[in-house]
Amino acid sequence: ETGVTQSPTHLIKTRGQQVTLRCSSQSGHNTVSWYQQALGQGPQFIFQYYREEENGRGNFPPRFSGLQFPNYSSELNVNALELDDSALYLCASSLGRDQPQHFGDGTRLSIL
Amino acid sequence: AQSVTQLGSHVSVSEGALVLLRCNYSSSVPPYLFWYVQYPNQGLQLLLKYTTGATLVKGINGFEAEFKKSETSFHLTKPSAHMSDAAEYFCAVSDPGGGSYIPTFGRGTSLIVHP
Repeated sequence: ETGVTQSPTHLIKTRGQQVTLRCSSQSGHNTVSWYQQALGQGPQFIFQYYREEENGRGNFPPRFSGLQFPNYSSELNVNALELDDSALYLCASSLGRDQPQHFGDGTRLSIL
Repeated sequence: AQSVTQLGSHVSVSEGALVLLRCNYSSSVPPYLFWYVQYPNQGLQLLLKYTTGATLVKGINGFEAEFKKSETSFHLTKPSAHMSDAAEYFCAVSDPGGGSYIPTFGRGTSLIVHP
């Protein structure tokens, strides 16, 4: 059984640029959540997708947007990158909205 | 609204000693509670969860946690620490009664194990 995979593992961008991060959910999982984990902090919820629909959103500005595809894989897009966007971005998938989440190893995004 | 407080950003123990990581939560409805572990350069792995029923929950790697409603606590314990337990541990809470299963995480506790 393949777990949650994220790509790329590392990424360096400059302020003002745009970035797309990708996540392949675990087989059979229809729910995907995205988190931002700043250095020394716990994960902060960005948004969740359930069967291709947004199912909840945390306290992040609209320049953070997402998408879930029919195969339940997902993308996180961030526009107009700021220095504070430097963080580990984690994707988690689950069998349903009320089921435990399984995390990928994350994408480390650095903004210069 | 829900929140989690993890007491102690760092906990240091000797190999073979008791591990105790503290977690207190705030929730307006009966919560779901979780402990996750994160090893360097990896994502989070679920150690154990409490949803309903028995308040003492056993997880992987010999860890367990007890839900104490009167104390709003969900402390994580392990009788004997192993070097491989050194990692970052996160407590999380969700409010299913409020319609949200999305967990809110604490800031984490780094467990250091000395030989």
